[in-house]
Amino acid sequence: QQPVQSPQAVILREGEDAVINCSSSKALYSVHWYRQKHGEAPVFLMILLKGGEQKGHEKISASFNEKKQQSSLYLTASQLSYSGTYFCGTVETSGSRLTFGEGTQLTVNP
Amino acid sequence: SQTIHQWPATLVQPVGSPLSLECTVEGTSNPNLYWYRQAAGRGLQLLFYSVGIGQISSEVPQNLSASRPQDRQFILSSKKLLLSDSGFYLCAWSKGQRYGYTFGSGTRLTVV
Repeated sequence: QQPVQSPQAVILREGEDAVINCSSSKALYSVHWYRQKHGEAPVFLMILLKGGEQKGHEKISASFNEKKQQSSLYLTASQLSYSGTYFCGTVETSGSRLTFGEGTQLTVNP
Repeated sequence: SQTIHQWPATLVQPVGSPLSLECTVEGTSNPNLYWYRQAAGRGLQLLFYSVGIGQISSEVPQNLSASRPQDRQFILSSKKLLLSDSGFYLCAWSKGQRYGYTFGSGTRLTVV
């Protein structure tokens, strides 16, 4: 079951904050977050495991609410280098495959 | 440190021709290996995954196949390419379910 990401696209000015959401209709074992620059491969940001943990990576952090089958990625004080497409991926408790959402295109302007 | 190599970077092939894409991982043993395909502007679609030599799980029944002849080698093949096979093919590896995936640099395939 493919997770649903929102918004599809967001445009920011440097220094602004953004939140990207990911939701599933299935019980989840884990949520992954990746960033992909145009023409390049996705790069792993973080994984959140069942247990409702929150993780941080510099100014990028994420939370996982397993009861609601939702995860959110928080980007604070955005930098130009944050531009790209962000994908969440989910692993259901009943399976082992990582299924990606359609992505959120983030553009940070000066 | 672990590295993943994928080649070629770009490929233009005629319809009906065969395909072989190779992926190798260095610096780890018994990795989980994956082949994904990405259409332009879309998400990543899982094609195959492998948890060990000779063990292949297919997610999408089509004219593609995968093989894992060695622990750290994963090959994606086709006997006859279709126009719909065009896309960005990505190989990835992980240590297991509790770990993230590391992707290779990808192969951009155009079938003409």
